[in-house]
Amino acid sequence: AQSVAQPEDQVNVAEGNPLTVKCTYSVSGNPYLFWYVQYPNRGLQFLLKYITGDNLVKGSYGFEAEFNKSQTSFHLKKPSALVSDSALYFCAVRELYSSASKIIFGSGTRLSIRP
Amino acid sequence: NAGVMQNPRHLVRRRGQEARLRCSPMKGHSHVYWYRQLPEEGLKFMVYLQKENIIDESGMPKERFSAEFPKEGPSILRIQQVVRGDSAAYFCASSPTGASTDTQYFGPGTRLTVL
Repeated sequence: AQSVAQPEDQVNVAEGNPLTVKCTYSVSGNPYLFWYVQYPNRGLQFLLKYITGDNLVKGSYGFEAEFNKSQTSFHLKKPSALVSDSALYFCAVRELYSSASKIIFGSGTRLSIRP
Repeated sequence: NAGVMQNPRHLVRRRGQEARLRCSPMKGHSHVYWYRQLPEEGLKFMVYLQKENIIDESGMPKERFSAEFPKEGPSILRIQQVVRGDSAAYFCASSPTGASTDTQYFGPGTRLTVL
């Protein structure tokens, strides 16, 4: 069965510092991985995805994520955090080339950037 | 190019009433997915529909919940005889095809409150 774990409920970072939001996954086949961001009372906004190819994926707003197959991880990173990055971040997985349509979401990590 | 549209954005119902949530996919998208988000939790898959077909309803509660995506018009998620536990944010997503490599784009959600 597919699953996603986001081990940190909250991550606090000072503005200008690098940030990492952790994610590990479990699928029986090849993973198709996503990061979404949710601002208060808003829907989910797509940030980036990994299917195949380069393990470092670049996305919107300066975010990037690194796929690590041996550690089954897909951590979200940004070199220099902004206060406006404060939001709820969701990691998600789908089994590539599977007939299953649904995306499995992690429980979310609240990112708080202090000025 | 309008994104996924959902209405109403907020819906208040008393216990026992019916709730109807509407979703219009992005232009050119014929695949719709419904997810539910309970407070402080991640999104949970409910149902996947194509025009006039339910493809996967493995996440739908067995009673009181139904979904449709008619040939013309929006997709509808219907909850009969609502209970307090139905209070949640309901998100719709759409994709151009049903391929596992598709990105699902989310609407702003409908926040249902059951009094």
